[in-house]
Amino acid sequence: DAGITQSPRYKITETGRQVTLMCHQTWSHSYMFWYRQDLGHGLRLIYYSAAADITDKGEVPDGYVVSRSKTENFPLTLESATRSQTSVYFCASSEKETQYFGPGTRLLVL
Amino acid sequence: KQEVTQIPAALSVPEGENLVLNCSFTDSAIYNLQWFRQDPGKGLTSLLLIQSSQREQTSGRLNASLDKSSGRSTLYIAASQPGDSATYLCAVRGGETSYDKVIFGPGTSLSVIP
Repeated sequence: DAGITQSPRYKITETGRQVTLMCHQTWSHSYMFWYRQDLGHGLRLIYYSAAADITDKGEVPDGYVVSRSKTENFPLTLESATRSQTSVYFCASSEKETQYFGPGTRLLVL
Repeated sequence: KQEVTQIPAALSVPEGENLVLNCSFTDSAIYNLQWFRQDPGKGLTSLLLIQSSQREQTSGRLNASLDKSSGRSTLYIAASQPGDSATYLCAVRGGETSYDKVIFGPGTSLSVIP
């Protein structure tokens, strides 16, 4: 299917574990983004990528790692999950200025 | 530091009513402003994007205005329908090439009662 997909849609993990959230887009957009959405904080940018092998930090990058070896994929890894990383994570892509969002991944860290 | 606020936080209106959602930002040096819609448990859908040089954009029953000098944008929804029920977010982008300066507001939760 065309569009932007995220997996898994729901994830429960424990503190200290490594977790990888996947994001895949079929449009070949140059830009991809990772946001987290929390009550009281709204949407905040974690990392973004302007092209394959080019990534940069957003507002809240600590505790997260990204990679972009292929244009269509932009995985987000929590190296050692903490309870404060419980959130809804959204991936987005864009070619020009309009961003297209995935359905989100709900992550619970126990 | 740019801060974006949205008033009201929640709004409930009867079907057919015209309504206005407000977005305010503290730094007027913006590149563009975008309005999004978010349905429960879903991602964001772009509704309208206004460049800093523009005053308004229209799409169907939606009209968004921008007043940079006062740090305000409004989203006008005409003849509201139950299908308009969702959370509406505005996002301000600060620089031409700096995606790390996209700041989202907290959103307005809209309920349109049949």
